[in-house]
Amino acid sequence: NAGVTQTPKFQVLKTGQSMTLQCAQDMNHEYMSWYRQDPGMGLRLIHYSVGAGITDQGEVPNGYNVSRSTTEDFPLRLLSAAPSQTSVYFCASSYSDRVVEGYTFGSGTRLTVV
Amino acid sequence: GQQLNQSPQSMFIQEGEDVSMNCTSSSIFNTWLWYKQDPGEGPVLLIALYKAGELTSNGRLTAQFGITRKDSFLNISASIPSDVGIYFCAVTGTYKYIFGTGTRLKVLA
Repeated sequence: NAGVTQTPKFQVLKTGQSMTLQCAQDMNHEYMSWYRQDPGMGLRLIHYSVGAGITDQGEVPNGYNVSRSTTEDFPLRLLSAAPSQTSVYFCASSYSDRVVEGYTFGSGTRLTVV
Repeated sequence: GQQLNQSPQSMFIQEGEDVSMNCTSSSIFNTWLWYKQDPGEGPVLLIALYKAGELTSNGRLTAQFGITRKDSFLNISASIPSDVGIYFCAVTGTYKYIFGTGTRLKVLA
């Protein structure tokens, strides 16, 4: 089982560039989300989706867009990269929107914006 | 927004020692979870707690859901080098988790 697959694992962007972080899961999970991890800040929710066609903002959504056209994929788009978006990004999924049974996380994308 | 406070922020311990860490909130939550993140990887669920006062074990790990529903504790017995990593507590809000800031554990052989 692949679980949650994130690509790329590492990326360097110049300020102002755009890019898409990919996330795919093969567990037929309805719930998917994106978090960013910064030193001393823990994991902060960017966007989440409770099913195909449904997305909503989390705690730190500014500068990011998401869409959920299929159950399997939940890409995160950086519209115009800024140094403040340098972080490690994690995608996570769960079977249901109740999320009480825990997330499955991807292995992360380490993004540096210069 | 809601915050979970974890302590300590980091700790160095000798192999074989027991470890204790905790997580507190100013709000009541009905589900508490503990995750571990290995270096370079995503977090992995260790223990989930669903009932106030509940004590749950997973091998050398034991976690307790505080009776006030505002805190939780994680204990690791007889630590080994592979216990190194960041330990996060998390609680469930609507459609999402709220994560603590993490306790970074380093084990000295």
